Amino acid sequence: KQEVTQIPAALSVPEGENLVLNCSFTDSAIYNLQWFRQDPGKGLTSLLLIQSSQREQTSGRLNASLDKSSGRSTLYIAASQPGDSATYLCAVSSNYQLIWGAGTKLIIKP
Amino acid sequence: NAGVTQTPKFRVLKTGQSMTLLCAQDMNHEYMYWYRQDPGMGLRLIHYSVGEGTTAKGEVPDGYNVSRLKKQNFLLGLESAAPSQTSVYFCASSPSGTSGYEQYFGPGTRLTVT
Repeated sequence: KQEVTQIPAALSVPEGENLVLNCSFTDSAIYNLQWFRQDPGKGLTSLLLIQSSQREQTSGRLNASLDKSSGRSTLYIAASQPGDSATYLCAVSSNYQLIWGAGTKLIIKP
Repeated sequence: NAGVTQTPKFRVLKTGQSMTLLCAQDMNHEYMYWYRQDPGMGLRLIHYSVGEGTTAKGEVPDGYNVSRLKKQNFLLGLESAAPSQTSVYFCASSPSGTSGYEQYFGPGTRLTVT
């Protein structure tokens, strides 16, 4: 059974720092991996989608990598800003559904 | 283009009451999903649909029913609400299955069962 883990559960860093969020999964037979952002009381916004054949995807200050063989993905955020404060979730596509991690709550201190 | 919308945004039910949550999408997507999100946990799939008139069970289907009579709408029903169903419910849609396409999410419905 696929399990997705995100570490740390919470992270607080000063504004301007570069940071890395981690996502690990137990079954490497995935179709793709997505990173989402969730603001308090709001829905989910898709940030990046990495197909199983890809190694990384970039969007602005965000870069996500995927290493299927080791069951790991990282989300790199460059030059963090207070507006980046949110919960970040990763989800892997396995068969017909997405399997989700519990998220990392990120706080960027001004 | 409204994307994915959910009705209502908030609801409080008493144990044993019933209700229906409505999800609508205007992107002509084939696949639609209902998830629940509980504190400290990731989202869990309740039911999903691969097209108009079809539905299937997800990871946690017990206590819920769904219908997809129109392509753009996906309804989630609770026949007899229980406190364990207190959660935030998210609807999502995608052009096809999750193998290659992003899922687009609604804003969520916060349900409390007392």
